[in-house]
Amino acid sequence: EAEVAQSPRYKITEKSQAVAFWCDPISGHATLYWYRQILGQGPELLVQFQDESVVDDSQLPKDRFSAERLKGVDSTLKIQPAELGDSAMYLCASSLGTIQYFGAGTRLSVL
Amino acid sequence: GQQVMQIPQYQHVQEGEDFTTYCNSSTTLSNIQWYKQRPGGHPVFLIQLVKSGEVKKQKRLTFQFGEAKKNSSLHITATQTTDVGTYFCAAYNAGNNRKLIWGLGTSLAVNP
Repeated sequence: EAEVAQSPRYKITEKSQAVAFWCDPISGHATLYWYRQILGQGPELLVQFQDESVVDDSQLPKDRFSAERLKGVDSTLKIQPAELGDSAMYLCASSLGTIQYFGAGTRLSVL
Repeated sequence: GQQVMQIPQYQHVQEGEDFTTYCNSSTTLSNIQWYKQRPGGHPVFLIQLVKSGEVKKQKRLTFQFGEAKKNSSLHITATQTTDVGTYFCAAYNAGNNRKLIWGLGTSLAVNP
């Protein structure tokens, strides 16, 4: 069964450092999502791509976060500089229609 | 902003007891989805409801979509320890299938 691939699974960094997360969606899925999930809360959409175009980045802290999906396939989410409050699970999901399929996520700890 | 309210936030049951979580919106929804997230895991799609008054079953799980398409429920009959996790509802507002709005989830704990 096709899956959304994410790497790394875990990332520990110090504040003010740069971090990057990678996501490879299910083949053929045009829509890709990056979510942030804080422990005990629901997923919060950071950015949504349709192919290579951003369709929603209203909740993305653009002063430090950036996301790209240059060829409309895999995607990278970057944080620079990381802050203590960025510690969370970063989930990538993809969809062909309305149902979203999630990757295993990257657990980020900022020290 | 638009919200989907989910209650209760937590539920602790004895194995074998039933469990229900509710999802409510002040606006009409296009459809509603339910996801399950196991502890340490990621959300996994369970079901999507589209029609007014729709009821769907998956083994011990029963999903309902309200007649007005503003609320939904997930009922688990005779819970098992494998049901442990957080159940999220997520919905698209009518006329806008581009942004999925997530509830805060109901965390279910099951005592063996």
